[in-house]
Amino acid sequence: EVQLVESGGGLVGPGGSLRLSCTTSGFTFSNYEVNWVRQAPGKGLELVSYISISGGTIYYGDSVKGRFTVSRDNTRNSLYLQMNSLRAEDTAVYYCASPAFCSGGSCTLGSAYWGRGTLVTVSS
Amino acid sequence: EIVLTQSPGTLSLSPGERATLSCRASQSVSSAYLTWYQQKPGQAPRLLIYAASNRATGIPDRFSGSGSGTDFTLTISRLEPEDFAVYYCQLYGRSPPLTFTFGGGTKVEIK
Repeated sequence: EVQLVESGGGLVGPGGSLRLSCTTSGFTFSNYEVNWVRQAPGKGLELVSYISISGGTIYYGDSVKGRFTVSRDNTRNSLYLQMNSLRAEDTAVYYCASPAFCSGGSCTLGSAYWGRGTLVTVSS
Repeated sequence: EIVLTQSPGTLSLSPGERATLSCRASQSVSSAYLTWYQQKPGQAPRLLIYAASNRATGIPDRFSGSGSGTDFTLTISRLEPEDFAVYYCQLYGRSPPLTFTFGGGTKVEIK
């Protein structure tokens, strides 16, 4: 069974830091590009970060650039998001998602696994 | 930056009716990277369609996707009660320049 389990969310004050983790099982994590996607209360989806299968290519959404750092550990089948200088507008459910399977130098979007999300609340 | 605009914002329909959802890109995009997701309250999004017109594993054939260039469409041929949800299109542009954009969503509600 495929599982992605996010952890590390919680309540933090403005300017604080949190580190999210996504632990995966049931699929070959090292063959998947992975994203952090967030959803503020009552709002739509926003891609926070992208990381390639090797970790060599990384992308951040404009709203988090310079504050958040994504990393992955293929030996531990895990994805991480270090969030610094948190703001009220970072309050959201953060999902770990693995939308693209890569093999032999090409990637396809035919399968997408998502976790259930972890809530981050930034408030004083 | 490419913007995806979904319309309408809300679609009020009855079970059994046909739903047509639009996703328009601000510039031409590769259909290979256009996906559609369904999200129900309290749940993670579920992939419905990838590469504009391919159904993901386990997705009923009442869901279909079409389009190219700047205009894409998700069609639900006959709405079932479980189809009332919010639908998002996404451009997953993993080729440079990297572009990962979600549309604002269309809510399909029971009329």
